[in-house]
Amino acid sequence: DVKVTQSSRYLVKRTGEKVFLECVQDMDHENMFWYRQDPGLGLRLIYFSYDVKMKEKGDIPEGYSVSREKKERFSLILESASTNQTSMYLCASVRDRGINEQFFGPGTRLTVL
Amino acid sequence: GENVEQHPSTLSVQEGDSAVIKCTYSDSASNYFPWYKQELGKRPQLIIDIRSNVGEKKDQRIAVTLNKTAKHFSLHITETQPEDSAVYFCAASIPQGGKLIFGQGTELSVKP
Repeated sequence: DVKVTQSSRYLVKRTGEKVFLECVQDMDHENMFWYRQDPGLGLRLIYFSYDVKMKEKGDIPEGYSVSREKKERFSLILESASTNQTSMYLCASVRDRGINEQFFGPGTRLTVL
Repeated sequence: GENVEQHPSTLSVQEGDSAVIKCTYSDSASNYFPWYKQELGKRPQLIIDIRSNVGEKKDQRIAVTLNKTAKHFSLHITETQPEDSAVYFCAASIPQGGKLIFGQGTELSVKP
């Protein structure tokens, strides 16, 4: 059974803080993704990674960066948090670049004050 | 790039009725179309998917249809039950892309 875990379910930060969101998967999946979920906008792709130390921009990368030092871990970084980054953040992983199911983490509800 | 539009944004049905959610996509190269269900406070989970070489797929009370010419696909839920209440997302994927482009989501409410 694939498990994707995220470091926090709820997080409250202040404007200007540096924020780290961690995601870990235990099934040796190659690909990992970070989305943000906002009402009426669905799931929007922020960044993704096909392999260790590789990263590619998604549709809304501005204000974010990522790190993938190990295959099982994919981190999302908010260099200087802003209030418009208040959102639900979902991590997902998939076995490879073929057509396969994406498995999601439980999500992190981030509030930036 | 690929764009996916999903309608309606909210849908309310009586228990036992059918529910239909529709999505359109823009990239004719897209070849994989999954549907995810997200219950309140939980993570999205795959409920059914269809590939471009198939026109219809059914799994018990849920079915998905694909019209490649018109570039749209639909989710059909029959004999709805209160536990079907959730947000449903459609998505599309291009070959060897690995990534999914999601629709905006449909909040389905099934009233007992």
